[in-house]
Amino acid sequence: EADIYQTPRYLVIGTGKKITLECSQTMGHDKMYWYQQDPGMELHLIHYSYGVNSTEKGDLSSESTVSRIRTEHFPLTLESARPSHTSQYLCASSDRHITNEKLFFGSGTQLSVL
Amino acid sequence: GDSVTQMEGPVTLSEEAFLTINCTYTATGYPSLFWYVQYPGEGLQLLLKATKADDKGSNKGFEATYRKETTSFHLEKGSVQVSDSAVYFCALHNTDKLIFGTGTRLQVFP
Repeated sequence: EADIYQTPRYLVIGTGKKITLECSQTMGHDKMYWYQQDPGMELHLIHYSYGVNSTEKGDLSSESTVSRIRTEHFPLTLESARPSHTSQYLCASSDRHITNEKLFFGSGTQLSVL
Repeated sequence: GDSVTQMEGPVTLSEEAFLTINCTYTATGYPSLFWYVQYPGEGLQLLLKATKADDKGSNKGFEATYRKETTSFHLEKGSVQVSDSAVYFCALHNTDKLIFGTGTRLQVFP
């Protein structure tokens, strides 16, 4: 059973609003990730972190930002949401000390920007 | 760069039919290979994995064999159930990245 939690589960907001998607894990994992999943199901890595104070951009350019002040918490922020940001956002974590790592995923946040 | 190619879906089957979802990869070195499953409304879960050539991963009746000679990791199940309806992602882990395929939706009807 994965101990990684995302909130909110669904979010509908207007254009221009600032939003933060929360992600927390209780497994003590150092590595955390944010994926954006488009309606065609494809997953795109947008941010990742190797530990506290470490953040890196992923393969897909994103206007979102992330922070990693605590090991268990990896929030994603959009300063000014636009309709093009409408998507499913999945957070994941893994143990950096285990090779051939397994990722644990949260249930996702479905974001709709009107 | 490294990549994963999956067969396009949806795959539509009747209950108890045999399932194959094809996956091929391109990678330098010796990647580990995975199948993840995403049930409706949920995040992804690891289904099975194989870490070296000729390894067979298995779980819940699903199997996949790491074939280095054909760079493939096809997912199979002998008899699918309605509860297997989900999206299946093939993935590889190489150096420090996990790379996903585009996903294949499986729909099983009674």
